[in-house]
Amino acid sequence: EPEVTQTPSHQVTQMGQEVILRCVPISNHLYFYWYRQILGQKVEFLVSFYNNEISEKSEIFDDQFSVERPDGSNFTLKIRSTKLEDSAMYFCASSEVARLAATYEQYFGPGTRLTVT
Amino acid sequence: KNQVEQSPQSLIILEGKNCTLQCNYTVSPFSNLRWYKQDTGRGPVSLTIMTFSENTKSNGRYTATLDADTKQSSLHITASQLSDSASYICVVSAGGYNKLIFGAGTRLAVHP
Repeated sequence: EPEVTQTPSHQVTQMGQEVILRCVPISNHLYFYWYRQILGQKVEFLVSFYNNEISEKSEIFDDQFSVERPDGSNFTLKIRSTKLEDSAMYFCASSEVARLAATYEQYFGPGTRLTVT
Repeated sequence: KNQVEQSPQSLIILEGKNCTLQCNYTVSPFSNLRWYKQDTGRGPVSLTIMTFSENTKSNGRYTATLDADTKQSSLHITASQLSDSASYICVVSAGGYNKLIFGAGTRLAVHP
């Protein structure tokens, strides 16, 4: 069964450094998402991406964040200058399509645990 | 403000017993409501998705209900198994491009 994959599974970085989290969505999916979950807290929406552009983003997704689909398979989240509060589990998800009132499933990857020291 | 509230926060039951988890939401515009299961350190896995016109949906031993008038949903787990131990998260899609709003989850522990 196809699945969303994410690398690395765990990333440790120093405050102020740039990190890139990588995701390979399910191959026929067209819509991609990033979420984060700070330890012990709710999963939070960061950004959705379709047709090579951001469709929607949350207030968390500020200028230090960016997303990119550099080729036909990868979807990346870049954090330009990491802060201690960026430490969290970051989940990538993908879906076939996304329309108003649609019920298309979002499939989540296993997550990347980012630790900023 | 769009919010999803779940209760109880945590629950312990014995293997083989049934349980019901609750979800209340204030989300507009409402698109659909989902229940996810999340094992510790893993990504959420979908159990059910319901639109406003659906009252109930089953997936094996999981049955979700939705009352769009009172903005309440429940997830009933029948004949629990040890592998049901996980967090169960109520998620509401707030229209648009399937932006998901997550509840805090109910942490279920099934004991032998």
